Amino acid sequence: AQSVTQLDSQVPVFEEAPVELRCNYSSSVSVYLFWYVQYPNQGLQLLLKYLSGSTLVESINGFEAEFNKSQTSFHLRKPSVHISDTAEYFCAVSDQAQGAQKLVFGQGTRLTINP
Amino acid sequence: KAGVTQTPRYLIKTRGQQVTLSCSPISGHRSVSWYQQTPGQGLQFLFEYFSETQRNKGNFPGRFSGRQFSNSRSEMNVSTLELGDSALYLCASSLEPTGATDTQYFGPGTRLTVL
Repeated sequence: AQSVTQLDSQVPVFEEAPVELRCNYSSSVSVYLFWYVQYPNQGLQLLLKYLSGSTLVESINGFEAEFNKSQTSFHLRKPSVHISDTAEYFCAVSDQAQGAQKLVFGQGTRLTINP
Repeated sequence: KAGVTQTPRYLIKTRGQQVTLSCSPISGHRSVSWYQQTPGQGLQFLFEYFSETQRNKGNFPGRFSGRQFSNSRSEMNVSTLELGDSALYLCASSLEPTGATDTQYFGPGTRLTVL
């Protein structure tokens, strides 16, 4: 079974500073990776996903993540954060068993942006 | 298109009672998955339904059950509630469970508090 480790439970940064949220997954076979964001009192929203092809994937709000197979990592980065990026971020891997899919999530990283 | 809707948004129950939560997927989506989110355990997969059939089940006791109707709406039921069942219950829908690549769209969740 797949597992996901998010190495930092909390990341405080100043506004306009760069940020990296780290994510490692367990499997070395073909994987599909996702980053979801959860704003306070809301459900999860898909930020970006890696299915195949280019190892660098981007979201519409400036985040990007790079799939690194050799290091089994899928770290999320943004060169300059905004107050509105304050949220909890979840890395997930799709685990398929008996033809059915489920998402296996990391524990989440709480990103706090300080002015 | 309307997003995934979940009712009720908040619920307070006492130990020993049972509860039913409802989820309406995005129009046209036929797969519905349920997840439990708690501060201690994070996000955990409960089950997935497609065409009124449970396709996948997480590691939860039999007190947790679900079903899906012909219009793809889904309900989950928890019987004999325990304090540890207090959580945010999230529903996610996708077009079809065609495999790991299909994006899941999450609802806002139902926050269940067990007293």
